[in-house]
Amino acid sequence: NAGVMQNPRHLVRRRGQEARLRCSPMKGHSHVYWYRQLPEEGLKFMVYLQKENIIDESGMPKERFSAEFPKEGPSILRIQQVVRGDSAAYFCASSPRGTQNTGELFFGEGSRLTVL
Amino acid sequence: DQQVKQNSPSLSVQEGRISILNCDYTNSMFDYFLWYKKYPAEGPTFLISISSIKDKNEDGRFTVFLNKSAKHLSLHIVPSQPGDSAVYFCAASKSGGSNYKLTFGKGTLLTVNP
Repeated sequence: NAGVMQNPRHLVRRRGQEARLRCSPMKGHSHVYWYRQLPEEGLKFMVYLQKENIIDESGMPKERFSAEFPKEGPSILRIQQVVRGDSAAYFCASSPRGTQNTGELFFGEGSRLTVL
Repeated sequence: DQQVKQNSPSLSVQEGRISILNCDYTNSMFDYFLWYKKYPAEGPTFLISISSIKDKNEDGRFTVFLNKSAKHLSLHIVPSQPGDSAVYFCAASKSGGSNYKLTFGKGTLLTVNP
């Protein structure tokens, strides 16, 4: 499967625990984006990363959220001390080019986080 | 502040007929518009796009129309097929280096009845 791979597909956490979501971009893509979809809402941009660099994190909540895309391995979105409002579907996308692209992103199937 | 609005949460059409999905935007800085299609438990997949320098773009059964003065775009699917049943998201972006930052509408659930 050469598509964007996300895991886990479903994650349940209790309030105060940590959530880690992983994303492997499509083969040949070096640009990764995270979007969040809250219930009954559209997807909202969170962060844009290249290998070892955060390019734009303007959509990330100021606290508890962080993202990385190490030289080796998948991109990781980390949410510390989760709260019920973090319950959402988190989508990762990738593209072969960065800011030159036309917004045509390739999305993964998403990771659905439920906070009890 | 919802900058991209899809005012119809759902739409139902008969197979073979035309489906028209509508989208309005408020930010005049948007200059690139996209439609994504999403099946349950899957990620959105790119369908068709249009630049603000055009007013129409066609790809097979799918045509997107852009009315800049009205800040309105629409997606036409002709003829509609049962496999088109999905949630359709309208999205917009600004050029100039941040066109990866898509602003999505809430989506319209299209159901095509056999």
